Amino acid sequence: GAGVSQSPSNKVTEKGKDVELRCDPISGHTALYWYRQSLGQGLEFLIYFQGNSAPDKSGLPSDRFSAERTGGSVSTLTIQRTQQEDSAVYLCASSRRQDPDKLFFGSGTQLSVL
Amino acid sequence: GQNIDQPTEMTATEGAIVQINCTYQTSGFNGLFWYQQHAGEAPTFLSYNVLDGLEEKGRFSSFLSRSKGYSYLLLKELQMKDSASYLCAVNSNYQLIWGAGTKLIIKP
Repeated sequence: GAGVSQSPSNKVTEKGKDVELRCDPISGHTALYWYRQSLGQGLEFLIYFQGNSAPDKSGLPSDRFSAERTGGSVSTLTIQRTQQEDSAVYLCASSRRQDPDKLFFGSGTQLSVL
Repeated sequence: GQNIDQPTEMTATEGAIVQINCTYQTSGFNGLFWYQQHAGEAPTFLSYNVLDGLEEKGRFSSFLSRSKGYSYLLLKELQMKDSASYLCAVNSNYQLIWGAGTKLIIKP
C-alpha cells in the first residue's frame, strides 16, 4: 500500500481481555517495528522484525506481549490479559533494507484498557 | 546505559528561528535522526546526520558533532504549522534509541 496501515485505529477493552493489533507495512519494506507511546512520552521500543524473524524482542514489557509477522508482510501484536497500564498508542513502522533507519510510521492504534 | 536528552518544551514566535538541542550518550553510533510529530499523529522523518557538520533542507537544518555527542535541529522562518514535537533518535549498534521529544509551541 501507499503507507503503513494499522488497525484498529481505536480499541477500548476491559481489563483482563486479550487484544490483537494489526500492522500492514509498506509493500517491499523488509523491516518492521512496534513502538508504544504513552501520552506526552517518547517512543518505547517493543519489537523489531527483519523479514519474518524477530532478532530483537528486548522491548516487550512482559510475557503477556507477543508479536508475529507472516509472509514478510503483515504483523500482529497481541496483548493477553490486558492491564490498565497497557493503555497507550501502539505505533508500527517499516523501512526499506537499503535505508533501514528511515522509518515510515503508521497512524497508530489508541488502546484504552478500562 | 544509553541516554538521549532534549528539552521538554520550547516556545518561539512565528517568523523567528529556533534551535532544538539533543545530547546523547550511547554505546555505539551509526547516525542521528530527527522526526517531527504533530499532536495525535505519527512521527515523520525530517533529517539524518552521520558525519559532523550541518545538513540543510529548506527551512530545517540539522547539525552533528560526534565528538561532543551533540546535535541540534534549526528551524527558520517559523510557521504556526511547525508547532509539534521534535524527536531525536540515535542508531546505536543498529538499534534506534529515542529521546522523549521536545514540544515546540509557536506563538503569533
